[in-house]
Amino acid sequence: EAGVTQFPSHSVIEKGQTVTLRCDPISGHDNLYWYRRVMGKEIKFLLHFVKESKQDESGMPNNRFLAERTGGTYSTLKVQPAELEDSGVYFCASSQDAAGTPPRFFGPGTRLTVL
Amino acid sequence: EDQVTQSPEALRLQEGESSSLNCSYTVSGLRGLFWYRQDPGKGPEFLFTLYSAGEEKEKERLKATLTKKESFLHITAPKPEDSATYLCAVQPWGGSQGNLIFGKGTKLSVKP
Repeated sequence: EAGVTQFPSHSVIEKGQTVTLRCDPISGHDNLYWYRRVMGKEIKFLLHFVKESKQDESGMPNNRFLAERTGGTYSTLKVQPAELEDSGVYFCASSQDAAGTPPRFFGPGTRLTVL
Repeated sequence: EDQVTQSPEALRLQEGESSSLNCSYTVSGLRGLFWYRQDPGKGPEFLFTLYSAGEEKEKERLKATLTKKESFLHITAPKPEDSATYLCAVQPWGGSQGNLIFGKGTKLSVKP
């Protein structure tokens, strides 16, 4: 069974440009999560989808970040326009567990560098 | 403010030298505490879930324990393949299931 996949693995962009990150969860997993780790800091929650609905987006830093999960399958996270402080590693995770259980399967992450 | 602190930041062990990693947490109410392992260039890999003080979980050379203020990850007779960063995360009551608070991790190196 394929794990959680993320694309691209690395992205280097200029400040002010737009970047779209993609996450493909494990097939059949209704729960999809986005996290971010800025260098030197801990991993932080961004948002949680249940199927195509946003269950919790309290961790989204500002309105430059837009997450979608059309059809309840893969998800995209768009940053527009990117700022220097958006640099970091963006992780996606998925699970099909009962409510309250933690995300179990993480993707390898997308390393975003904003110059 | 909810917070998770892991210590030490880095730990070097010789193969077979047992030790413990610490995760101290401050949270208004604990729904669950989770341990993950992360290898370089990969995402976190789920290890354990602990829900109540006194609970223990084991997997191979690893054992996780939980008190009301901290959790320990005990590593018994580690091997080089146990080298990784170990992350602790808490899930507060009232938060959504994915809204975890992570520590910065402990980077473990096991030398042969």
